[in-house]
Amino acid sequence: SQQGEEDPQALSIQEGENATMNCSYKTSINNLQWYRQNSGRGLVHLILIRSNEREKHSGRLRVTLDTSKKSSSLLITASRAADTASYFCATSGNNRLAFGKGNQVVVIP
Amino acid sequence: ETGVTQTPRHLVMGMTNKKSLKCEQHLGHNAMYWYKQSAKKPLELMFVYNFKEQTENNSVPSRFSPECPNSSHLFLHLHTLQPEDSALYLCASSQRVDPDYGYTFGSGTRLTVV
Repeated sequence: SQQGEEDPQALSIQEGENATMNCSYKTSINNLQWYRQNSGRGLVHLILIRSNEREKHSGRLRVTLDTSKKSSSLLITASRAADTASYFCATSGNNRLAFGKGNQVVVIP
Repeated sequence: ETGVTQTPRHLVMGMTNKKSLKCEQHLGHNAMYWYKQSAKKPLELMFVYNFKEQTENNSVPSRFSPECPNSSHLFLHLHTLQPEDSALYLCASSQRVDPDYGYTFGSGTRLTVV
């Protein structure tokens, strides 16, 4: 299965702390993407990392990709209450984007 | 707003009703998608349209009938649904079917079948 699987499934942190979540997948990919979903809303594209990249930054987000371990991590630095959301990884390959179950992050003010 | 608009936001329908979900994008994207999101499950891809032609039907029951009159509009016609069809239905679009640039999602329609 190409589907990403996030770990941990739920994370609760204090505002200002860093939040790290991981994603593992099983087959080869073209790229891996991270999305955020606020409660009752659609998914918002955060960042895309290609299979030949190892690390990428966007604002307070840092994504790593280890294709040998078939895993990726998303780090949110200096978290804010507004970062409370579900975070999904999605793997791209065979013209498909396959999503994991999501990772609920709660940032406590 | 993301540029992908879905209506209605909420829908309650009986099992014998017929209703339609609408999705609209004016981002110039050529590919559009329907996803189903149920609690504690990964997003399920339902249908893919590329230049208004259906390119993928992911074994979706016939009580869900998609329609794509042009590259900017996508509908999902619903009839004789079951309670287990209750979910958040998300529409997405992308420049091309090849998901190299990320998808843009609408806010979804929360469907409840009673």
